[in-house]
Amino acid sequence: SQQGEEDPQALSIQEGENATMNCSYKTSINNLQWYRQNSGRGLVHLILIRSNEREKHSGRLRVTLDTSKKSSSLLITASRAADTASYFCATDAGNQGGKLIFGQGTELSVKP
Amino acid sequence: ETGVTQTPRHLVMGMTNKKSLKCEQHLGHNAMYWYKQSAKKPLELMFVYNFKEQTENNSVPSRFSPECPNSSHLFLHLHTLQPEDSALYLCASSSGTGFNNTQYFGPGTRLTVL
Repeated sequence: SQQGEEDPQALSIQEGENATMNCSYKTSINNLQWYRQNSGRGLVHLILIRSNEREKHSGRLRVTLDTSKKSSSLLITASRAADTASYFCATDAGNQGGKLIFGQGTELSVKP
Repeated sequence: ETGVTQTPRHLVMGMTNKKSLKCEQHLGHNAMYWYKQSAKKPLELMFVYNFKEQTENNSVPSRFSPECPNSSHLFLHLHTLQPEDSALYLCASSSGTGFNNTQYFGPGTRLTVL
């Protein structure tokens, strides 16, 4: 069954606005990761948050993790047109040899 | 550049052809992965190799045959594919097990089966 599910599936905002994407998962995890994918390209790792962490920052990215609700959010502040991409969460259950389960992704469009 | 390369970047093949996809990682990782990404679907994990040994085969049809001759190279041999196999095939690598198993992806091979 699907582990990570992103919400919303698509998001369209204006440059300068903040973008928030959510991810829910079903089983306990070792860590949760966010990836970005530009159209037709490979995925690029953005940030990893461990199960014992609640919040993490990297530049304009802020990730939160609520293990009690089995959910995570990715916030991109002061968005730019170059942030237009698909964003995926991926969970590591910790006992599967490094295997990650990816969600369906959120398609973000940032209009200049 | 993520340190993972894939060739070819685009491939068009007929259903009776045999072709191979190649992936190479320059990161010193021990684990390598093949994923299939179809439109409007989540990434589907196909195969996992750890230290050249296959540790996962996610019920992939036998017309897809992986090969991992060493920890730096991974191949996906294709034969008698179906049109529904058209997709973006992504290779990734990671340091393997452990608390920080970030995966590094190649740019993908866009496969079209006619």
